[in-house]
Amino acid sequence: KNQVEQSPQSLIILEGKNCTLQCNYTVSPFSNLRWYKQDTGRGPVSLTIMTFSENTKSNGRYTATLDADTKQSSLHITASQLSDSASYICVVSAKAAGNKLTFGGGTRVLVKP
Amino acid sequence: NAGVTQTPKFRVLKTGQSMTLLCAQDMNHEYMYWYRQDPGMGLRLIHYSVGEGTTAKGEVPDGYNVSRLKKQNFLLGLESAAPSQTSVYFCASSSIPALTHTEAFFGQGTRLTVV
Repeated sequence: KNQVEQSPQSLIILEGKNCTLQCNYTVSPFSNLRWYKQDTGRGPVSLTIMTFSENTKSNGRYTATLDADTKQSSLHITASQLSDSASYICVVSAKAAGNKLTFGGGTRVLVKP
Repeated sequence: NAGVTQTPKFRVLKTGQSMTLLCAQDMNHEYMYWYRQDPGMGLRLIHYSVGEGTTAKGEVPDGYNVSRLKKQNFLLGLESAAPSQTSVYFCASSSIPALTHTEAFFGQGTRLTVV
């Protein structure tokens, strides 16, 4: 069964500090991996998309890495800001009809001043 | 520049009532999806559509029906609502997914409570 596991479930960090979120997946055949940011009460918004051949991608202070051999990804947030408080969702796409996406449960990040 | 729009944003239903959630996208996307999001769980696919006039079952289709009569609209129906269908529902759309960097765009969500 295709699965995406994220850790930790939640974390609290001080403004200005860095943090790293983890994602492990078993989705096959792999197409791409996405990280989404979901603010409370809103829909998910894409941060990065990576294919099999890409092992790192940045979007401002967000940097995602992908190790397709070990089926692991991480999202690193640099110099966190209060606006980074949100849930971060790892989503893996399989090469199948309908572009089916398998969602992780998300990591809830709270940035405190 | 609306993207994906869901209506309504909030709804409270009594058990056994019916309702329809509307999703509209203005990006000419072929693919549309309905998900539900429950606390502590990832989004789960209810139904999806690969084009106008087509629908397919996702991971958790029971209790729901869908229709895609027009390319820009994807309707999700609950014929007889149950408390287990209390959830936040998200619609998404994407262009032809054979492109590996196809983006999926999400609506703002509909919070449904069944009492």
